[in-house]
Amino acid sequence: DVVMTQTPPSLSVAIGQSVSISCKSSQSLVYSDGKTYLHWLLQSPGQSPKLLIYQVSNLGSGVPDRFSGTGSQKDFTLKISRVEAEDLGVYYCVQATHFPWTFGGGTKLELK
Amino acid sequence: QVKLQQSGAELVKPGASVKLSCKTSGYTFSTSYMSWFKQIPGQSIEWIGMIYAGDGGTGYNQKFKGKATLTVDTSSSTAYMDLSSLTTEDSAVYFCVESFAYWGQGTLVTVSS
Repeated sequence: DVVMTQTPPSLSVAIGQSVSISCKSSQSLVYSDGKTYLHWLLQSPGQSPKLLIYQVSNLGSGVPDRFSGTGSQKDFTLKISRVEAEDLGVYYCVQATHFPWTFGGGTKLELK
Repeated sequence: QVKLQQSGAELVKPGASVKLSCKTSGYTFSTSYMSWFKQIPGQSIEWIGMIYAGDGGTGYNQKFKGKATLTVDTSSSTAYMDLSSLTTEDSAVYFCVESFAYWGQGTLVTVSS
């Protein structure tokens, strides 16, 4: 199985600060169709996960452009510019290139 | 709008089985793929498997083969997941998901005697 390693496991931030979360995979996530099926999700407390970024860098529906995703092959980053209170929760990267689909361990974003 | 409405929380005894449901609306269910995920509270998420509603074709995470069985009823646009021979390790929240963009609210399954 593809191992997804997220760092850091937790972040303490002030409102308005910018942060980055790293996600590294044990194999390249480029599929045979040339696309990279690496997505980012946010799970707010007590809620179902919400899709933030799909295929590395595409914003999900209704997601503010404070969120951005970059990366390629095995190394990916989620950046949040100007953190707001509603951004708090656990962020997950997930790969859907190789079966079984696998998730990172999560990064918990908390208020400083 | 797209909605995935999951069945309510279950308390089941070890060794028993349970069938979870996920009723959908707002999109064409019959040509869609539905995935199911498991999350133990406080932990990360695992992919259980997926089913194509068009023909009932399935794909499973090897870890959940023999544990989970996915089915659909296209007449009611509902997806189901049977979990069998339950143990305390199956206690978790289970989500149905369409294309990562649409998630059900989750069903909490508690296995306890």
